[in-house]
Amino acid sequence: TQLLEQSPQFLSIQEGENLTVYCNSSSVFSSLQWYRQEPGEGPVLLVTVVTGGEVKKLKRLTFQFGDARKDSSLHITAAQPGDTGLYLCAGYGGSQGNLIFGKGTKLSVKP
Amino acid sequence: DAGVIQSPRHEVTEMGQEVTLRCKPISGHDYLFWYRQTMMRGLELLIYFNNNVPIDDSGMPEDRFSAKMPNASFSTLKIQPSEPRDSAVYFCASTGSLGYEQYFGPGTRLTVT
Repeated sequence: TQLLEQSPQFLSIQEGENLTVYCNSSSVFSSLQWYRQEPGEGPVLLVTVVTGGEVKKLKRLTFQFGDARKDSSLHITAAQPGDTGLYLCAGYGGSQGNLIFGKGTKLSVKP
Repeated sequence: DAGVIQSPRHEVTEMGQEVTLRCKPISGHDYLFWYRQTMMRGLELLIYFNNNVPIDDSGMPEDRFSAKMPNASFSTLKIQPSEPRDSAVYFCASTGSLGYEQYFGPGTRLTVT
């Protein structure tokens, strides 16, 4: 069974701080997606990474896919209150299976 | 496109009652998913359809849960009878291809008392 472990589970920081959240597995994934979910809404895709070692940047967010395609990280620079939400990683193993979601990291950025 | 549409947004019911959740996927998407989200278990896949046919229902908790997709633009998730442990947020999502971005609806918050 493929599992994705996310850490930390909860993170509360002040505006302006940097942070990194992690998504780890013992399984190899064809691709990995990061979603952000705000209260009362469904998850929304932020990025998809496909190649081992790939780094993608989305404004202040930097996503990295591990060389072995088993793990990923999300780094936020100078966090803002608008970054508050639940960050979910989801791996796609291929072979017509569905996405496997981690349980998420709940981020709170205080002004 | 209006995105994935779910109804109702909130449902409060008593134990033993039947509950029906509804979903309209994005037009042209061949895959439709039903998820359940709780604090303890996170986002769990219940069932997914491809071209209106159920492909994987291994996540459906038990016989009290059933899902149908009578056509490409409508799906239902039914719980009968409902129990307090079914309280959760239920999401519907759709996509054009497995492994690609899934588009989620706003969810239905179900409370069973």
